[in-house]
Amino acid sequence: KAGVTQTPRYLIKTRGQQVTLSCSPISGHRSVSWYQQTPGQGLQFLFEYFSETQRNKGNFPGRFSGRQFSNSRSEMNVSTLELGDSALYLCASSLAPVSNEQFFGPGTRLTVL
Amino acid sequence: AQSVTQLGSHVSVSEGALVLLRCNYSSSVPPYLFWYVQYPNQGLQLLLKYTSAATLVKGINGFEAEFKKSETSFHLTKPSAHMSDAAEYFCAVSDTPGSGYSTLTFGKGTMLLVSP
Repeated sequence: KAGVTQTPRYLIKTRGQQVTLSCSPISGHRSVSWYQQTPGQGLQFLFEYFSETQRNKGNFPGRFSGRQFSNSRSEMNVSTLELGDSALYLCASSLAPVSNEQFFGPGTRLTVL
Repeated sequence: AQSVTQLGSHVSVSEGALVLLRCNYSSSVPPYLFWYVQYPNQGLQLLLKYTSAATLVKGINGFEAEFKKSETSFHLTKPSAHMSDAAEYFCAVSDTPGSGYSTLTFGKGTMLLVSP
């Protein structure tokens, strides 16, 4: 069974631009969560989607948004990029509500110059 | 709100020595707790989880953790370290235990260094 895949793996953008990251969950998983990982703040929850609906949202500004498609694939978008948005963005999928165990993808490394 | 504290940002052990990584949690409800490992340039891999069943939880790669409610702790141990165990380890608590969904709150992580 294929794991969680994230594209692209690496991305370089400049301040003010916007970016879209993609996540394909494990087949059959309908829940997708996104996390931001930085050296200073560690791992922080961004949002969770289940069956195309946002179930939960972390404490991030409105520049961070996401969506989920009918095939459970998810995208997150960051508009008006700031230097502080440089981070590893991790996506995780789960078999919620049957199981809360989350399986993580390899992440997308975003660098904002 | 749930929170997790990992004591020690770096832990150094010799190959073959006991590994002990500390995690204390704060939760207003009986918690679901997790340990993840992250190797360089990779995502997180689940080592083990506690979901209110047995208090001693065995995971992959010889790791185990014991849930101690009285101490609000969930420390990770391994009897004998291998060089391949060198990685960063994260303790996490679920914000919605028992719901079937899981928003995780992570600790700051502990880097395990293993010397020959």
